[in-house]
Amino acid sequence: AQSVTQLDSQVPVFEEAPVELRCNYSSSVSVYLFWYVQYPNQGLQLLLKYLSGSTLVKGINGFEAEFNKSQTSFHLRKPSVHISDTAEYFCAVSAGGTSYGKLTFGQGTILTVHP
Amino acid sequence: EPEVTQTPSHQVTQMGQEVILRCVPISNHLYFYWYRQILGQKVEFLVSFYNNEISEKSEIFDDQFSVERPDGSNFTLKIRSTKLEDSAMYFCASSNTRGNSPLHFGNGTRLTVT
Repeated sequence: AQSVTQLDSQVPVFEEAPVELRCNYSSSVSVYLFWYVQYPNQGLQLLLKYLSGSTLVKGINGFEAEFNKSQTSFHLRKPSVHISDTAEYFCAVSAGGTSYGKLTFGQGTILTVHP
Repeated sequence: EPEVTQTPSHQVTQMGQEVILRCVPISNHLYFYWYRQILGQKVEFLVSFYNNEISEKSEIFDDQFSVERPDGSNFTLKIRSTKLEDSAMYFCASSNTRGNSPLHFGNGTRLTVT
């Protein structure tokens, strides 16, 4: 079984500042890792994913995340945020294989970007 | 860009009633999923569906729940006799392969059981 912990429920930040949203996971098997974003009244949209290979993954909207196996972390970063990045962000893992689509989600981090 | 569409956006029902939540996955996708999010809680996996049968289901997905792909385009979630604790946002998702293609989520149906 897998579990995901997002360490911050809310992160306020000023526009153009850098941001890091933290995610730690636990699993007894190798995992695939994902970050999703949810804008108000919308579904979950994939920001980026780590399946294998380079541990630094780049996604849409200027976001990136780094997979750290020793620390079981997959933190999301953006060097300069915009007002439009205000949303809820979810970290998720899956065991892959036949359970690829069975995602285990963290509780979400609400990012609020202030002018 | 193709989207997963869910109807209705909000459904109110009385306890004990049957409810059907509807989803139209992206047309060339083969794998289908339902997730739910109770207010203030995590998004939880309910069930995955492939080749007209359930691939995997969670402990939440008990005998009160069923899924169906009745006509090759819709994908439905039925709750036979709703309980207050079924109140949640229900998300449908689809993907075109099991491997590394992402899940595409719909905007969700908010189910309120009174």
